[in-house]
Amino acid sequence: GQNIDQPTEMTATEGAIVQINCTYQTSGFNGLFWYQQHAGEAPTFLSYNVLDGLEEKGRFSSFLSRSKGYSYLLLKELQMKDSASYLCAVSPSLDDKIIFGKGTRLHILP
Amino acid sequence: DAMVIQNPRYQVTQFGKPVTLSCSQTLNHNVMYWYQQKSSQAPKLLFHYYDKDFNNEADTPDNFQSRRPNTSFCFLDIRSPGLGDAAMYLCATTRLGTSGRIDTQYFGPGTRLTVL
Repeated sequence: GQNIDQPTEMTATEGAIVQINCTYQTSGFNGLFWYQQHAGEAPTFLSYNVLDGLEEKGRFSSFLSRSKGYSYLLLKELQMKDSASYLCAVSPSLDDKIIFGKGTRLHILP
Repeated sequence: DAMVIQNPRYQVTQFGKPVTLSCSQTLNHNVMYWYQQKSSQAPKLLFHYYDKDFNNEADTPDNFQSRRPNTSFCFLDIRSPGLGDAAMYLCATTRLGTSGRIDTQYFGPGTRLTVL
């Protein structure tokens, strides 16, 4: 079966750094995605990792270890607008399907 | 400019009354998806198309059908909506490259369906 796990909720302080972890067990691996979703809105693409290592994009970075079935999303210099759900998703094979985790709801405190 | 457009943004229907949701894209992407998302849950894949090849998820109820008449448009038909079908319906698109890899996925704003 396909399984993607991430924490349900996290809380962090404005200006701080937070790391959201994601582990996956899938029949294959063709890339891992992170999305941001504000309440009542559609998911917005943040990052895509297909090779091991860290991808940095401004305040957001995403890390992948394929051997461990593990990824994290690192958010730096947190802002109140970063309060949202963060969805980890995996493309399990060389086709066009993407499977989502349940998302991590991130609360930012002033 | 909007790249994935969904209409309507809000849809109210009655129990058992058929409803059609539409999605269009200006990206010329070859893959289109329909997801159902209920409150505080992950998006659940219902179907996806690679060009005209239709892929139905095994647990998608028969009550849900889809059509993709051309590259730009995709429709979700709910034949007899039940109260449990109230959700946000998300359309998304992807370009599957020659390497066979997806490198991003664009979502439309979603249609929120209410069933009375």
